[in-house]
Amino acid sequence: EAQVTQNPRYLITVTGKKLTVTCSQNMNHEYMSWYRQDPGLGLRQIYYSMNVEVTDKGDVPEGYKVSRKEKRNFPLILESPSPNQTSLYFCASSRPGQQETQYFGPGTRLLVL
Amino acid sequence: QKEVEQDPGPLSVPEGAIVSLNCTYSNSAFQYFMWYRQYSRKGPELLMYTYSSGNKEDGRFTAQVDKSSKYISLFIRDSQPSDSATYLCAMTSGGSYIPTFGRGTSLIVHP
Repeated sequence: EAQVTQNPRYLITVTGKKLTVTCSQNMNHEYMSWYRQDPGLGLRQIYYSMNVEVTDKGDVPEGYKVSRKEKRNFPLILESPSPNQTSLYFCASSRPGQQETQYFGPGTRLLVL
Repeated sequence: QKEVEQDPGPLSVPEGAIVSLNCTYSNSAFQYFMWYRQYSRKGPELLMYTYSSGNKEDGRFTAQVDKSSKYISLFIRDSQPSDSATYLCAMTSGGSYIPTFGRGTSLIVHP
């Protein structure tokens, strides 16, 4: 089954404790991206990657890092989480040139205390 | 003013009604227009996308784009309780890898 998976699905942490949210897709897509979804603000892109070792900032990259060492994986790293990063996070993937047809993961709900 | 405006609702309709969901935008460079459906506690799933102006139909769903008015619509015919979800519009310009999403409209279809 074609899918995007994320882990963990739920996470509670404390300010300053580094964490990583993993994302993996089995569709051989080159393009992957991370979004956060907040009430009243909608989905906002954090980072995207066009291919292995190629990443770029989205609309709200501050406080986040990403890496793309393998085509299927695109982890999101919060090196020093803060309460304003409490949010619902989605990973997505698509074929190059088809960013309009993105496949989203199930989401990771993060609470930073 | 946000680049994409979408009424959050909720929009409550009886089963079988025709539903109209809308977004307005300000960036005339947008060329690709998408509609996603998001069920509670799930990721968005793409319903339809259109390029430039015009209509596109897929089963009970019709997407319309009016670039002159900077207005897009999603129509759902014969709405079902299973259509109850949040509907997100999104758009992007050619060559951009950063789509802009609306806030989403919550739709409730009651039996």
